[in-house]
Amino acid sequence: GAGVSQSPRYKVAKRGQDVALRCDPISGHVSLFWYQQALGQGPEFLTYFQNEAQLDKSGLPSDRFFAERPEGSVSTLKIQRTQQEDSAVYLCASSLARRSYGYTFGSGTRLTVV
Amino acid sequence: GESVGLHLPTLSVQEGDNSIINCAYSNSASDYFIWYKQESGKGPQFIIDIRSNMDKRQGQRVTVLLNKTVKHLSLQIAATQPGDSAVYFCAEHRGGSEKLVFGKGTKLTVNP
Repeated sequence: GAGVSQSPRYKVAKRGQDVALRCDPISGHVSLFWYQQALGQGPEFLTYFQNEAQLDKSGLPSDRFFAERPEGSVSTLKIQRTQQEDSAVYLCASSLARRSYGYTFGSGTRLTVV
Repeated sequence: GESVGLHLPTLSVQEGDNSIINCAYSNSASDYFIWYKQESGKGPQFIIDIRSNMDKRQGQRVTVLLNKTVKHLSLQIAATQPGDSAVYFCAEHRGGSEKLVFGKGTKLTVNP
């Protein structure tokens, strides 16, 4: 597609529920990033893929967070046993090449844990 | 800790005025800086970037200035329009990692 597509746009989860957030990057983009954006804050890095390889997951806040990109295109961010502090907008971004940091962001998934 | 901060959380200007949004960064090893614009309900949108070996870069109606001596970055928007109303973030890239570190943002409101 023309841009980075994320689904769902909104997700309400009960505390303790598992959720899966999907990202469809721009076709052919090598690099894919996940960021978490709390209300009124700037995005914070979660994890980075180059093709199917997860090269940096230093920003994942706990072992409840897991991301994958098995075929080097679509990526899924999974959060297990959601907690209220997981409520945020989860942004996906992609770029054509390594070390190309002006990447394109999707509109995000707003997760609300109740 | 990591921090890319902003001096002012909000900025209100009149349509047609020039806007200046400031950003302080903490890591002198950062080699690349980007300004993003984020409208409500949307992801950040790339505006302009600058490498650390440059002091100034101009785009269409926007200019980014980098002062490495005081670790300060600014975004100047000429002839601000209502469509410029958004939250603006500066972000820095530090060598050795692929991630960007974002500041908290400045909300720009353009009054007609």
